Amino acid sequence: QLQLQESGPGLEKPSETLSLTCTVSDGSISSSSYYWGWIRQPPGKGLEWIGNIYYSGSTYYNPSLKSRVTLSVDTSKNQFSLKLTSVTAADTAVYYCARLYRIGGYYFDYWGQGTLVTVSS
Amino acid sequence: QSALTQPRSVSGSPGQSVTISCTGTGGDVGLYNSVSWYQQHPGKAPKLMIFDVSQRPSGVPDRFSGSKSGYTASLTISGLQAEDEADYYCCSYAGSYTLIFGRGTKLTVL
Repeated sequence: QLQLQESGPGLEKPSETLSLTCTVSDGSISSSSYYWGWIRQPPGKGLEWIGNIYYSGSTYYNPSLKSRVTLSVDTSKNQFSLKLTSVTAADTAVYYCARLYRIGGYYFDYWGQGTLVTVSS
Repeated sequence: QSALTQPRSVSGSPGQSVTISCTGTGGDVGLYNSVSWYQQHPGKAPKLMIFDVSQRPSGVPDRFSGSKSGYTASLTISGLQAEDEADYYCCSYAGSYTLIFGRGTKLTVL
């Protein structure tokens, strides 16, 4: 059973860079059938797609976050990562990593448990 | 990229059926048959319930079904059970490898 686990600081100061890593277990990040994605959920609010990355390094971002987001992948460690720059309180959210099936359709079939990142001074 | 439109809340009694709508545009729901639905219980990660408009992953009860007409996709839950009480989110492919979620619907089982 594939597992995804987010890791990273739970607290960031305003204007700093949020950095999270997702470790994939019991499955290969190098599969051609999947992208790997990040989704966030502010407290009490809905889900927001942040972006996807392919194992080759191709990236796709939410236009509303594109100027501040960078995704990267490390196939040797079976990990992918998120960096979000110039964070504000509005970036406080639970951040999820997930596997995105990409053949014929697009859907997130496996999710991490999520990690809360609070932006506060 | 605006969120897909979902009712804020729906409710039903055990055994009844409820339908949650998800309205998009001609650039997402109306254009692609790539709509998925997710169930989220409080404090938990979302769980895939429907993909490709109407397909159910293994293990999801057949009480859950999906459909689409024009710019609106729908999730129907029949034979409501107490454990179905949760938030439900739709998600659509929006072209150029981008995705868009709905604002979410809170289902209350009375």
